[in-house]
Amino acid sequence: EDQVTQSPEALRLQEGESSSLNCSYTVSGLRGLFWYRQDPGKGPEFLFTLYSAGEEKEKERLKATLTKKESFLHITAPKPEDSATYLCAVQAVGGGATNKLIFGTGTLLAVQP
Amino acid sequence: NAGVTQTPKFRILKIGQSMTLQCTQDMNHNYMYWYRQDPGMGLKLIYYSVGAGITDKGEVPNGYNVSRSTTEDFPLRLELAAPSQTSVYFCASIPGLAGYTDTQYFGPGTRLTVL
Repeated sequence: EDQVTQSPEALRLQEGESSSLNCSYTVSGLRGLFWYRQDPGKGPEFLFTLYSAGEEKEKERLKATLTKKESFLHITAPKPEDSATYLCAVQAVGGGATNKLIFGTGTLLAVQP
Repeated sequence: NAGVTQTPKFRILKIGQSMTLQCTQDMNHNYMYWYRQDPGMGLKLIYYSVGAGITDKGEVPNGYNVSRSTTEDFPLRLELAAPSQTSVYFCASIPGLAGYTDTQYFGPGTRLTVL
């Protein structure tokens, strides 16, 4: 069964304290891995898509990496405005043309000034 | 473009009542999705549509119905509301180009409470 597991469930950082969020996945074949940011009371906001092992993408203080079994979202020198829930999702090859996503439960990040 | 819009933003229903959650996108996207998000459970796919007149069940379709008469609109219908349907509902859409992994863009959500 296709599955996505995120860790930790919650993470509290001091401003400027770098860290990483983990997303491990089990799928029959990976079409794409997605990272989203979700603020309280809002819908998920797209951050990155990764397609193959070894791929990396960056946006401001965020960097996403991908291996054959997991993805990391590295946060460098975070600021309080980076506080949010970060969601990971995968799209499996077996999903056909429907582009269905399988989501993890998210990591709640709190960055304190 | 307004993107994906959802109404209402909040709603309280009594057990057994019915309601329709509205979702509209103005990007001419072919594929549309309905998810529910429960605390600690992640987003679960309820129904999806690959184009006007075509819908199919997702992971958790029981208690819900959908229709897709136009490209823009994808309403979600709850016929007999139950407390288990208390959740936050998100609509999403993508262009749906064959052979291309599209990013799903989400609406702001509808928070539904069934008492």
